Amino acid sequence: DVKVTQSSRYLVKRTGEKVFLECVQDMDHENMFWYRQDPGLGLRLIYFSYDVKMKEKGDIPEGYSVSREKKERFSLILESASTNQTSMYLCASSLSRAWQPQHFGDGTRLSIL
Amino acid sequence: AQTVTQSQPEMSVQEAETVTLSCTYDTSESDYYLFWYKQPPSRQMILVIRQEAYKQQNATENRFSVNFQKAAKSFSLKISDSQLGDAAMYFCAYLKGSGYSTLTFGKGTMLLVSP
Repeated sequence: DVKVTQSSRYLVKRTGEKVFLECVQDMDHENMFWYRQDPGLGLRLIYFSYDVKMKEKGDIPEGYSVSREKKERFSLILESASTNQTSMYLCASSLSRAWQPQHFGDGTRLSIL
Repeated sequence: AQTVTQSQPEMSVQEAETVTLSCTYDTSESDYYLFWYKQPPSRQMILVIRQEAYKQQNATENRFSVNFQKAAKSFSLKISDSQLGDAAMYFCAYLKGSGYSTLTFGKGTMLLVSP
């Protein structure tokens, strides 16, 4: 089975801190994704990557950046955390063929105080 | 841009009954895929079922089936013989079939299952 592991289930940080959310997948998937999930808004795509060192902006990239130095790891960075970034963050991965489903991690519930 | 609409924020069903969750989408593409994902409370999101737009036959996976109406751009999920473990948030999602593309999700439908 595909395993997508997010480094933390719960995280509490302070306003202005630089925050790193890590995601690792073990199935050699080319594609990796970061979403945030908010009640009533569903999942919104922040950034995605189709290959190592490659990144593309999603629908809501403002205030975030990403890093993909190795194929299995995709990091989401909050450059200067703000309270409106309090949310559930989901990482996903998939094979490159379009019809392949995305596999999700357990999510990180991030609170910015 | 593609949009996915789930018009039912919450649905309720009793055990052993059947429930249908609605989803409509908007696209100008002819090649695409549609998915239903399930997210149980505090648990991982998992794929329930997938439908290729070029297939006329509706996809089925055990107790889960879809009613795919391409002309109407409708993609509903039917859950038969509902079980307590079916209680979850259900998301409908769209994926363009060609080139680099990403999933577009609906806002979700919370399914409550009562004994």
